Amino acid sequence: DIQMTQSPSTLSASVGDRVTITCRASQSISSWLAWYQQKPGKAPKPLIYKASSLEGGVPSRFSGSGSGTEFTLTISSLQPDDFATYYCQHHNSYLGTFGQGTKLEI
Amino acid sequence: QLRLQKSGPGLVKPSETLSLTCAVSGGSINRSSHYWGWIRQPPGKGLEWIGSIYYSGSTYYNPSLKSRVTISVDTSKNQFSLKLNSVTAADTAVYYCARQTPLYYWDYWGQGTLVTVSS
Repeated sequence: DIQMTQSPSTLSASVGDRVTITCRASQSISSWLAWYQQKPGKAPKPLIYKASSLEGGVPSRFSGSGSGTEFTLTISSLQPDDFATYYCQHHNSYLGTFGQGTKLEI
Repeated sequence: QLRLQKSGPGLVKPSETLSLTCAVSGGSINRSSHYWGWIRQPPGKGLEWIGSIYYSGSTYYNPSLKSRVTISVDTSKNQFSLKLNSVTAADTAVYYCARQTPLYYWDYWGQGTLVTVSS
């Protein structure tokens, strides 16, 4: 099984900050990496797929990069609505496991 | 707009079977190249994929749950269902139904509701 590890587990930041979250895969997954945003009591919302493709309707301040085993999600200028938990998921097969999550807090 | 509406009990007794159904509206299950599946999230923890089904009935299960899981589809009702048998407290979680794209990421999710396993 491919294991996904996110860092950090918690990230403290302020409105306007540029933040980066990292996701590492236990083996190469090419560019098959998705990112989700989850707010308390809500279902996850897809942000990015194939490492860097933005899902429709997602603000351009979100971007993704990476390939192989190391990936990053960057938010260029944090907005109040961005404080949430973020998950990565490898999606090279139906057996796509998720990372453990990164909580972005004020 | 695609909508997934989950239904089922919020409380299940240990050793019994957890049964949930997800009704899809705003799109047809059997006209889609997508998969349909279930994901769960124990309280305060991360996301775990349970399994997926294609409209044809082909299923894919998480190996860690495979022996206890059955996912089925009813195209006439445009819905799919989850059965998880022999549940324990470890199966207490928020259960989500969702649509899985042909690229295997999840793009539409139903509302999650907590299913508690307790006597």
